[in-house]
Amino acid sequence: DTGVSQNPRHKITKRGQNVTFRCDPISEHNRLYWYRQTLGQGPEFLTYFQNEAQLEKSRLLSDRFSAERPKGSFSTLEIQRTEQGDSAMYLCASSLVRTGKGYEQYFGPGTRLTVT
Amino acid sequence: AQKVTQAQTEISVVEKEDVTLDCVYETRDTTYYLFWYKQPPSGELVFLIRRNSFDEQNEISGRYSWNFQKSTSSFNFTITASQVVDSAVYFCAQTFYGNKLVFGAGTILRVKS
Repeated sequence: DTGVSQNPRHKITKRGQNVTFRCDPISEHNRLYWYRQTLGQGPEFLTYFQNEAQLEKSRLLSDRFSAERPKGSFSTLEIQRTEQGDSAMYLCASSLVRTGKGYEQYFGPGTRLTVT
Repeated sequence: AQKVTQAQTEISVVEKEDVTLDCVYETRDTTYYLFWYKQPPSGELVFLIRRNSFDEQNEISGRYSWNFQKSTSSFNFTITASQVVDSAVYFCAQTFYGNKLVFGAGTILRVKS
């Protein structure tokens, strides 16, 4: 069983450009999460999906950020009009949540975004 | 609101020493789940262990052991006979029923040979 994959692994963009990241979860995992991690900090929650439904969005997720999970499979995270403060590692995780089980999340390698 | 505190920013030990990483959590939930993750220099977060709030039994897995105490809201992680490969950032985290993980700031562990 393959793990969580994320593409691209690195992205350098100029301020004001739009970027899109993709996450492929572990197959059959019903929940998919996005986090952001800056240097020296723990990951911060952005949003999560159960199947195709987006269940929660962090206040960190400004209007420039949007995430989708069509058909409950892979997910995309788009950042519009990027700012230098968006530079961070964007992490995706997935889990198979059932009553009383499966609350551990498995993480992908991350996409490192640098906004110049 | 949930909060996780890892007071130790960085710990340095010599190989074969035992080391304990501290984690203190805050929550109003009566049911919750606690986790430890390892982030090696390669960057990918690796799941180590999950504990349920209703199960305070301590756990040992090889050189790793975990001490969960609800009375002090602590979930500490001990590595016995540390090795250079244990060098990483370790994160403690908590969740309520599979929702978002709330992470601590992490503890950098450096194991010197």
